[in-house]
Amino acid sequence: EPEVTQTPSHQVTQMGQEVILRCVPISNHLYFYWYRQILGQKVEFLVSFYNNEISEKSEIFDDQFSVERPDGSNFTLKIRSTKLEDSAMYFCASRADVGGYTFGSGTRLTVV
Amino acid sequence: KNQVEQSPQSLIILEGKNCTLQCNYTVSPFSNLRWYKQDTGRGPVSLTIMTFSENTKSNGRYTATLDADTKQSSLHITASQLSDSASYICVVSGSGGSNYKLTFGKGTLLTVNP
Repeated sequence: EPEVTQTPSHQVTQMGQEVILRCVPISNHLYFYWYRQILGQKVEFLVSFYNNEISEKSEIFDDQFSVERPDGSNFTLKIRSTKLEDSAMYFCASRADVGGYTFGSGTRLTVV
Repeated sequence: KNQVEQSPQSLIILEGKNCTLQCNYTVSPFSNLRWYKQDTGRGPVSLTIMTFSENTKSNGRYTATLDADTKQSSLHITASQLSDSASYICVVSGSGGSNYKLTFGKGTLLTVNP
């Protein structure tokens, strides 16, 4: 069964550093998403991406965040200057035109 | 504000028993409701998806119900197994367009004991 692949599975970074979280969505999917889950809290929407541009973003997705689809297969989330409160599980998801989401296994980001 | 509330927060049952998890939502406009299973440290895995016109859907030992009038859903697990121990999350899609942004509940943490 097709999968959404995320790397790395765990990233530790110092506060103020830039991190890039990587995702390979399912190849024929058109819509791409990033969600995050702070430990013990619910999953929250960050951003959706379609046709090579952001289609919607939440208030969490401020100027420190950016997304990119640099080639036909990767979808990345960049955090420019990490803060302690950015520590969370980050989930990438993709979706075909119709049908359900497929989530990746997540990247656990720890900011120290 | 779009919200999804789940109960109970946590539940402990014995292997082989049945259980029912509840979900209430205020997401509008409503597109569809999903139940996901999330193992600790893993991404959510879809169990069922229901649209406005569907009031029940089964996936093996999982049966979801939806009452779009009262904005309530339930997930019934039959003959529970140890591997059912996980967080079960109710998720509602509320965007009317193609974006299908998801609103997540906090989940019910189910523990199945031998």
